[in-house]
Amino acid sequence: DSGVTQTPKHLITATGQRVTLRCSPRSGDLSVYWYQQSLDQGLQFLIQYYNGEERAKGNILERFSAQQFPDLHSELNLSSLELGDSALYFCASSEPQTGGNEQFFGPGTRLTVL
Amino acid sequence: AQKITQTQPGMFVQEKEAVTLDCTYDTSDQSYGLFWYKQPSSGEMIFLIYQGSYDEQNATEGRYSLNFQKARKSANLVISASQLGDSAMYFCAMRELSNTGNQFYFGTGTSLTVIP
Repeated sequence: DSGVTQTPKHLITATGQRVTLRCSPRSGDLSVYWYQQSLDQGLQFLIQYYNGEERAKGNILERFSAQQFPDLHSELNLSSLELGDSALYFCASSEPQTGGNEQFFGPGTRLTVL
Repeated sequence: AQKITQTQPGMFVQEKEAVTLDCTYDTSDQSYGLFWYKQPSSGEMIFLIYQGSYDEQNATEGRYSLNFQKARKSANLVISASQLGDSAMYFCAMRELSNTGNQFYFGTGTSLTVIP
């Protein structure tokens, strides 16, 4: 158990809908990273937050957005869902001292868009 | 060009033997980081090892070591004394800095099967 929690574990929804994925980092970790793992695209970095502020942006679509709240949990919002958004979405966190060199991943949320 | 290349889709190794998983990377940065992750069939991602581009010594973590050859831009993972529990997908990754912050790139993975 990495100490990072993600909810829900599974999500099934329809095209055009909007969903929110939630992540709670390990206690004391200030950074949260979001990744997408799909059969087509492999593992892709989406976005990083550090202590409530966006720190880095990867291959995140404009239909997707994220935020990190004062209690450091983070949410990834996916809207206008398409079939191709079906994937495993990981959240990871890291300690301030390591600068992200060691990231602890949550169990993931498996999103299925029908 | 691919940032991270893993040319071995699948590998087999006998239990208790050592195995090397290949990874090459492409960057023009001087400062970057290299990672290896393990993903068992259960799906979670497990951090294994990290190597900074300025680290002169190869990183080691228990049975894992990273064979870092900077000039060749390779960062191979060596697993010594393989165990059945090492059967999993292994991903090589790189962090480099861009104008939008740190970027992380992953390879396509190598599926390792440990044979009893």
